[in-house]
Amino acid sequence: EAGVAQSPRYKIIEKRQSVAFWCNPISGHATLYWYQQILGQGPKLLIQFQNNGVVDDSQLPKDRFSAERLKGVDSTLKIQPAKLEDSAVYLCASRQGDENEQFFGPGTRLTVL
Amino acid sequence: GDSVTQMEGPVTLSEEAFLTINCTYTATGYPSLFWYVQYPGEGLQLLLKATKADDKGSNKGFEATYRKETTSFHLEKGSVQVSDSAVYFCALNPDYGGSQGNLIFGKGTKLSVKP
Repeated sequence: EAGVAQSPRYKIIEKRQSVAFWCNPISGHATLYWYQQILGQGPKLLIQFQNNGVVDDSQLPKDRFSAERLKGVDSTLKIQPAKLEDSAVYLCASRQGDENEQFFGPGTRLTVL
Repeated sequence: GDSVTQMEGPVTLSEEAFLTINCTYTATGYPSLFWYVQYPGEGLQLLLKATKADDKGSNKGFEATYRKETTSFHLEKGSVQVSDSAVYFCALNPDYGGSQGNLIFGKGTKLSVKP
């Protein structure tokens, strides 16, 4: 079974530029999560989708972050414009039904200069 | 709000030493508890879990027991190997309406095992 795929793996941009990350969850997983992991900290939820609907985006900085999951499969997370404090690893995870376990992708490491 | 506190690292041990990584939590209701591991250059992997009080999760020689009376979920292994070197995260899934399986993580504990 293929795991959660993310791209790119690494991205370096300058502040005020825009950037987008892509996630392809495990086939059949209805729930998709985006987490932000700042160096030295645990992952923090940004947004959660159930199929193509948003379940929780309470911690998403909506003035600069946006995310979509148009067909209930792949998802993109965008930052526009980026700030220095956005430097982090962005993790995508998916979950099947009511199972507790979330499966994580390898993450995208973003560096904002 | 709900939160997880785990011991700060880094933790450095010799091979075959005993490992304990402390984890305590604050939550309303009855959360599920998890340990995730992140090997260098890889994504987070579920190591073990427990969904109710007194449950013991175990995997790859690691164990953790869900202690509601002390709100703890300490990770233990009797004899660590070099290959156990990684960052370990304690996490909880809140048990209240609308949580939808969201995980709340501790800050992580980096373990280095020397031969």
